[in-house]
Amino acid sequence: DADVTQTPRNRITKTGKRIMLECSQTKGHDRMYWYRQDPGLGLRLIYYSFDVKDINKGEISDGYSVSRQAQAKFSLSLESAIPNQTALYFCATSDLKGGRANEQFFGPGTRLTVL
Amino acid sequence: QKEVEQDPGPLSVPEGAIVSLNCTYSNSAFQYFMWYRQYSRKGPELLMYTYSSGNKEDGRFTAQVDKSSKYISLFIRDSQPSDSATYLCAMSATGFQKLVFGTGTRLLVSP
Repeated sequence: DADVTQTPRNRITKTGKRIMLECSQTKGHDRMYWYRQDPGLGLRLIYYSFDVKDINKGEISDGYSVSRQAQAKFSLSLESAIPNQTALYFCATSDLKGGRANEQFFGPGTRLTVL
Repeated sequence: QKEVEQDPGPLSVPEGAIVSLNCTYSNSAFQYFMWYRQYSRKGPELLMYTYSSGNKEDGRFTAQVDKSSKYISLFIRDSQPSDSATYLCAMSATGFQKLVFGTGTRLLVSP
């Protein structure tokens, strides 16, 4: 079974709709991240959480919100989706307790299309 | 100017060639350097992890860091079609900070 799972894997929605992307991990890691990936722009950090009570904005947080429901679950919401939020979204985790706290493990991604 | 620069490619090589992938960076505080490999429609996976300057070898892969030039490289020997993927460099200043990624270089290895 995958250590980092994302649901849904693909989603098509319309402008103005609220959508939630979910991430779960069985790695026992304390840190979780949400990125979006666009051609030519690479991975850009949206939000990150170093533990359940710690949520931080990344470089492109406008239009997004997150919820860390438990150590293993980190959700990303688009309150009112717009077409330029069409992208590939990745969740990642890292382990503060390990020797390589900055090594990130990625989920399989969610392909989101906003029409 | 971006903190990390990486040529997007694509880089096309024949099977068996030696491949050189590179990143430059501007933040002299970076000490941890990683290479991730990303297959189409998959999440990135860690390929190489290095600290500070020098070389690290793992099978056909060698990671090289030159902090004086702010330049890192990934060499792939005897490249295979299965190496066709996008390669992303990533770096951070400390072991606890979040990573800064390059945009990725797409590599195509033809049989």
